[in-house]
Amino acid sequence: SQQGEEDPQALSIQEGENATMNCSYKTSINNLQWYRQNSGRGLVHLILIRSNEREKHSGRLRVTLDTSKKSSSLLITASRAADTASYFCATDAVYQGGSEKLVFGKGTKLTVNP
Amino acid sequence: NAGVTQTPKFQVLKTGQSMTLQCAQDMNHEYMSWYRQDPGMGLRLIHYSVGAGITDQGEVPNGYNVSRSTTEDFPLRLLSAAPSQTSVYFCASRRTVYDYGYTFGSGTRLTVV
Repeated sequence: SQQGEEDPQALSIQEGENATMNCSYKTSINNLQWYRQNSGRGLVHLILIRSNEREKHSGRLRVTLDTSKKSSSLLITASRAADTASYFCATDAVYQGGSEKLVFGKGTKLTVNP
Repeated sequence: NAGVTQTPKFQVLKTGQSMTLQCAQDMNHEYMSWYRQDPGMGLRLIHYSVGAGITDQGEVPNGYNVSRSTTEDFPLRLLSAAPSQTSVYFCASRRTVYDYGYTFGSGTRLTVV
């Protein structure tokens, strides 16, 4: 079953606006990661936030993590048409016995209109 | 440094046929995984490996086999293709330590008719 669930499923904004996507998950995690997928391409790793971190920045990206609410958000500031893509959160969950699996949500499809 | 290389990029199979999707990485990553991506379903984990000789099942392992004889290669075998296996398949790898994201291949688009 899916660990992460992104919200909204789709988001359409104008160039220059900020885009916020949210992710909720179910079980304890080592870290949470965000990926971007352009249409017809593979996924590209954007940013990783550890379970003991609350906020992380990378260029125009800002990620927050609230482990008490089991949720994360990805903010893209000053969006560009090139940011048009699907964005996925993925959790590196800790399962009983110490095994690990990266589990993805279903993604948010972001469209940035010029 | 090629990253994660998947072959073939496209494949059409008839129901019942078998085939192997190849995945190779040149980054000396210990962790490797196979995912399938279907519309509206996101990515689902098929099998994964934490090192040579060690594999385990993911969320949707039925109908697929894997092996990991070397650090570099992690092939995915479809034993008897079914239309339900029509999907885009992605291979991914990463370093052992927790604080690294996965590097993905460009995918194999498989159609089973």
